[in-house]
Amino acid sequence: GDSVTQMEGPVTLSEEAFLTINCTYTATGYPSLFWYVQYPGEGLQLLLKATKADDKGSNKGFEATYRKETTSFHLEKGSVQVSDSAVYFCALSGFYNQGGKLIFGQGTELSVKP
Amino acid sequence: DTEVTQTPKHLVMGMTNKKSLKCEQHMGHRAMYWYKQKAKKPPELMFVYSYEKLSINESVPSRFSPECPNSSLLNLHLHALQPEDSALYLCASSQESGQSFNYGYTFGSGTRLTVV
Repeated sequence: GDSVTQMEGPVTLSEEAFLTINCTYTATGYPSLFWYVQYPGEGLQLLLKATKADDKGSNKGFEATYRKETTSFHLEKGSVQVSDSAVYFCALSGFYNQGGKLIFGQGTELSVKP
Repeated sequence: DTEVTQTPKHLVMGMTNKKSLKCEQHMGHRAMYWYKQKAKKPPELMFVYSYEKLSINESVPSRFSPECPNSSLLNLHLHALQPEDSALYLCASSQESGQSFNYGYTFGSGTRLTVV
């Protein structure tokens, strides 16, 4: 079945460091890919998305490119801030999934130190 | 209005209690979802409603009973829960269950449930 694999955390960075969180997927057909962010004590917020190969999603300085050849959707940010500390979930939604349900990765906790 | 509103934000209940969680959206979304999330784990799908009809039940125990009174409201009725049911319960919505692959979901902030 469809699945998402994320790099394990926690990831600890200093402020202004470069961030990469790796995400790879296995899916039937051509899924859409998402990054969600969950700040402490809150629900999930959609950070960015890409619906077809070579699409680049971007938001709040974060970027991710849908790479069909490597089945990847890595999240990057050039300069992280303390306020970016959160758990990040990569997810896919496939047209062929029953009900179009989201398949989540395990999540990567990011901690940014001043 | 681009939000999913969940109430209450926190709930403590005993194992013999009956309580309900409420979820509301006014975005015209026709699919609504209940998820359960344990700390620092991904959300786990429980139920999917599409056009006010239950379309997916992920083998959830009967002590959890969903209800969709209309297209804007989703309830989760709780009865005789166990301590291991303590978790964050998230509601989400999407334009249509078959269209979520294009648009993703909008999540609420969740209800943090503690069963004592």
